[in-house]
Amino acid sequence: GQNIDQPTEMTATEGAIVQINCTYQTSGFNGLFWYQQHAGEAPTFLSYNVLDGLEEKGRFSSFLSRSKGYSYLLLKELQMKDSASYLCAVPRDNYGQNFVFGPGTRLSVLP
Amino acid sequence: DADVTQTPRNRITKTGKRIMLECSQTKGHDRMYWYRQDPGLGLRLIYYSFDVKDINKGEISDGYSVSRQAQAKFSLSLESAIPNQTALYFCATSPGGSSTDTQYFGPGTRLTVL
Repeated sequence: GQNIDQPTEMTATEGAIVQINCTYQTSGFNGLFWYQQHAGEAPTFLSYNVLDGLEEKGRFSSFLSRSKGYSYLLLKELQMKDSASYLCAVPRDNYGQNFVFGPGTRLSVLP
Repeated sequence: DADVTQTPRNRITKTGKRIMLECSQTKGHDRMYWYRQDPGLGLRLIYYSFDVKDINKGEISDGYSVSRQAQAKFSLSLESAIPNQTALYFCATSPGGSSTDTQYFGPGTRLTVL
């Protein structure tokens, strides 16, 4: 089966860097997604990793280690608008036909 | 206009009532999904559909049913609502055909069952 763990809450200061971790166990692997979800709103896509290493996209980067079942999302130059929940998700099977989502990490950015 | 819309956005109902949540999309995607979100539990898949003739149960389908009326429309029904179905419900779409497909979510329906 699949299982995904993320820290429940994190707090950081505006302008700082924060790393949000995600560990997973899956029967197969077909990539890992990160989504951002502001309170009361829909999740929106942030990043996708299928190979080991770091993918950089502006202030946000995502890292994957398949051998360790581990990913992290790195947010740089934090802004107040980055206060949100961050969800990691993996496909439920090797065909990527549907997904298992982690419980999400709620990030609060303080002034 | 939003690509994925859900109606209603908020609904309060009583135990035992039948409720339908509707989802429409203008993205032209084949795949559509219904999730519920509860605090601390993340998004859990209720049902998904890969085309009009394809309906599949997700991890928590008991107490729910769905209808795929057209490529663009996917409805979720609660046959007899109960309080533990109080949650935030999201519809999502994806293009299909690839394991790297991103999901696009609607704005959500907040359902309260009294």
